[in-house]
Amino acid sequence: DIQMTQSPSSLSASVGDRVTITCRASQSISNYLNWYQQKPGKAPKLLISAASSLQSGVPSRFSGSGSGTDFTLTISSLQPDDFTTYYCQQSYTTPPTFGQGTKVEIK
Amino acid sequence: QVQLVQSGAEVKKPGASVKVSCKASGYTFTTYYMHWVRQAPGQGLEWMGILNPSDTSTSYAQKFQGRVTMTRDTSTSTVYMELSSLRSEDTAVYYCARPPYSNSYYFDYWGQGTLVTVSS
Repeated sequence: DIQMTQSPSSLSASVGDRVTITCRASQSISNYLNWYQQKPGKAPKLLISAASSLQSGVPSRFSGSGSGTDFTLTISSLQPDDFTTYYCQQSYTTPPTFGQGTKVEIK
Repeated sequence: QVQLVQSGAEVKKPGASVKVSCKASGYTFTTYYMHWVRQAPGQGLEWMGILNPSDTSTSYAQKFQGRVTMTRDTSTSTVYMELSSLRSEDTAVYYCARPPYSNSYYFDYWGQGTLVTVSS
């Protein structure tokens, strides 16, 4: 199975900060990398697919980049609604696997 | 609009089985595969398997082989996930999740989740 490693596991930031979350795959996955946001008690929400394709309705402050094994999710200016947990996921091969998550907390 | 509505929370004893349902609406049921993903309390997301509602073919994660069965009822547009020989480590929220393209392996629609608690 492809292992997905996110860093950091958690971070503290303030409203308006620029935040970057990194996801590394244990082998090349081309651009088959997706990002989800999950709020407590809710199902994950797809933010970005194919490494950089923003889903409809997702604010433009979210962006994704990368290919191969290294990927990033950037939030350009943190808003109060963004303080929650984010997961990366590879869809390159089965089984699809997720990172362990990154919790974004208020500083 | 696409909706996936799951059955309610369950409490089961170790060794028992649980069957969770996921009723789909707002799209042609047999056109999209359906996946199941689980999340233990405070933990990350774990893919369990996939069902093709068109021909009932399945593929399960190796970890769950022999314990999980995914089925469907086209008359009610419902998919089911049954997990047997439950143990405490199976306590988790179970989600059905639909991909944006027929047989892709990422998910843009999710059910609300079903909490399964395994406790003696």
